[in-house]
Amino acid sequence: GAGVSQTPSNKVTEKGKYVELRCDPISGHTALYWYRQSLGQGPEFLIYFQGTGAADDSGLPNDRFFAVRPEGSVSTLKIQRTERGDSAVYLCASSPSGAGTPYEQYFGPGTRLTVT
Amino acid sequence: AQSVTQLDSQVPVFEEAPVELRCNYSSSVSVYLFWYVQYPNQGLQLLLKYLSGSTLVKGINGFEAEFNKSQTSFHLRKPSVHISDTAEYFCAVIAGGGSQGNLIFGKGTKLSVKP
Repeated sequence: GAGVSQTPSNKVTEKGKYVELRCDPISGHTALYWYRQSLGQGPEFLIYFQGTGAADDSGLPNDRFFAVRPEGSVSTLKIQRTERGDSAVYLCASSPSGAGTPYEQYFGPGTRLTVT
Repeated sequence: AQSVTQLDSQVPVFEEAPVELRCNYSSSVSVYLFWYVQYPNQGLQLLLKYLSGSTLVKGINGFEAEFNKSQTSFHLRKPSVHISDTAEYFCAVIAGGGSQGNLIFGKGTKLSVKP
């Protein structure tokens, strides 16, 4: 079946511009996660959705970052007034969810964002 | 706060040699532990996971890991590596020690297998 997809695969933008990054999770997965991976680092958590609501947004670095998942499927990560420090690979993951045993998170290929 | 430490940023090894990639975690609660692999220009793929039960966990591609609670370690091993194992490997735990939630990753270990 189809895995997690992310678009665009690459995005180059100028400092100060607004960008949107899209994530299509695996069909039926209720949990969706956004991570950011800077060069030479492991992925760092940004935000976690259960269904339509953000269950945990404690990883968002500041109020320039915002994410939505209006219908509980596709999610969009939005970054306002981009800065060069926002340059990174943005990863999306999805998983089934439910109480008890943790489920595997399936990762998309990522969107490489470059802010010039 | 929980954290994951991968002690080696780079590990060079010759083909068919054994390898161990080290991972230590800090947590005062029960943990679920994971190893992910990232091949060049690809997404993260789960290698193996420890949830409960046997402390020796076997994963894909001949990798295995051993959970050691007293040493708070979850080292990844393979008895004989191939060129195709060249990739970056990440150890991770679920934040908060619960069954749901985001992953906390280590900084990664780049495994370079030389012929």
